[in-house]
Amino acid sequence: AQSVTQLDSQVPVFEEAPVELRCNYSSSVSVYLFWYVQYPNQGLQLLLKYLSGSTLVKGINGFEAEFNKSQTSFHLRKPSVHISDTAEYFCAAFENTGFQKLVFGTGTRLLVSP
Amino acid sequence: KAGVTQTPRYLIKTRGQQVTLSCSPISGHRSVSWYQQTPGQGLQFLFEYFSETQRNKGNFPGRFSGRQFSNSRSEMNVSTLELGDSALYLCASTQDILNTEAFFGQGTRLTVV
Repeated sequence: AQSVTQLDSQVPVFEEAPVELRCNYSSSVSVYLFWYVQYPNQGLQLLLKYLSGSTLVKGINGFEAEFNKSQTSFHLRKPSVHISDTAEYFCAAFENTGFQKLVFGTGTRLLVSP
Repeated sequence: KAGVTQTPRYLIKTRGQQVTLSCSPISGHRSVSWYQQTPGQGLQFLFEYFSETQRNKGNFPGRFSGRQFSNSRSEMNVSTLELGDSALYLCASTQDILNTEAFFGQGTRLTVV
């Protein structure tokens, strides 16, 4: 069975500083990997996804992530954060078995302060 | 193009009651999945429907059920509500079973008192 681990429950950072949110996965089969963002009282919005091909994936709002198969990681990065990036970020995966079932990490709360 | 619509947004129910939540997927999307989000358990998969058939089910008791209609709209039902069922219930739609991008609705916040 696959699992997704987000080790950091909360990441405080100052505005305009770079940030990295960590995500590790485990799976015996090939996976598709995603990062979602959730603002208070909202649903989930897709930031970016890795399906295959280039290991560096660029998403919306200036975010990017790098798939590292040997380290089973899919860390999310942004070179310069804004106050408006304050939100909960979820890493997710589903196995390439044809089922639309996402397995989510526990989430990382990004807190951007001025 | 309208997004995924979930109704109602907020709901308060009493223990022992039942509740029905609704999800209208994006037009043309045929696969609908449901997730439960709680502070303690995070985001947990409930079930997935495609062409009115349940394709996959998560590890939830039989009190949780769902269905999908011919227009792809989906409902989930929770019977004999317990306090622990208080959660944000999220619906996601994908174009078909081969598509990987899931679009989420804003969720229904269920509070059981």
